[in-house]
Amino acid sequence: DAGVTQSPTHLIKTRGQQVTLRCSPKSGHDTVSWYQQALGQGPQFIFQYYEEEERQRGNFPDRFSGHQFPNYSSELNVNALLLGDSALYLCASSLDRWGGPTVLTFGAGSRLTVL
Amino acid sequence: GENVEQHPSTLSVQEGDSAVIKCTYSDSASNYFPWYKQELGKRPQLIIDIRSNVGEKKDQRIAVTLNKTAKHFSLHITETQPEDSAVYFCAANATNTGNQFYFGTGTSLTVIP
Repeated sequence: DAGVTQSPTHLIKTRGQQVTLRCSPKSGHDTVSWYQQALGQGPQFIFQYYEEEERQRGNFPDRFSGHQFPNYSSELNVNALLLGDSALYLCASSLDRWGGPTVLTFGAGSRLTVL
Repeated sequence: GENVEQHPSTLSVQEGDSAVIKCTYSDSASNYFPWYKQELGKRPQLIIDIRSNVGEKKDQRIAVTLNKTAKHFSLHITETQPEDSAVYFCAANATNTGNQFYFGTGTSLTVIP
């Protein structure tokens, strides 16, 4: 089991550009959440995808958008990049269980640097 | 929304001593509290979790306690080893009302050999 895989691992962009990050969930998982982790901070929830739809969204602007594919993989898109978007972007997959706690499995992250 | 605070931000202990990390939360709807360990440059990994219907949970050298009335929970590591050195994050989640996890700001634990 490869666990949660993310690509690319590192990337550098300039202000105003757009970026796409990709995530393949752990085998058997159907839900993907994206988190932003700034240096020295805890992860901040961006949004969650389930059944190819955004199910919940955190306090992030519309410049952040996503998609989930039929195979449960997911993409995070960020438009009009700002310096403050520099962070580690973590994908976490889980299995949707009604009434039960969601156990997150994290990927290693994509380190985005905006210059 | 939920607010999770975590203390201390850094913690140094001698090998073999105990380490305690504390978190508070604000939303009484939160009922699931996982702890993650993140080594430098690696992914956060779940090390232990607790649900609100339990006051304490233990797994070998690691234990978590929960006080629902006071809205705080703590991670206890006994007989610390150098490989315990990492950043530890607490988190809170309301399983009935949302899918969002709220994380603390992390505690950098250093175990001195």
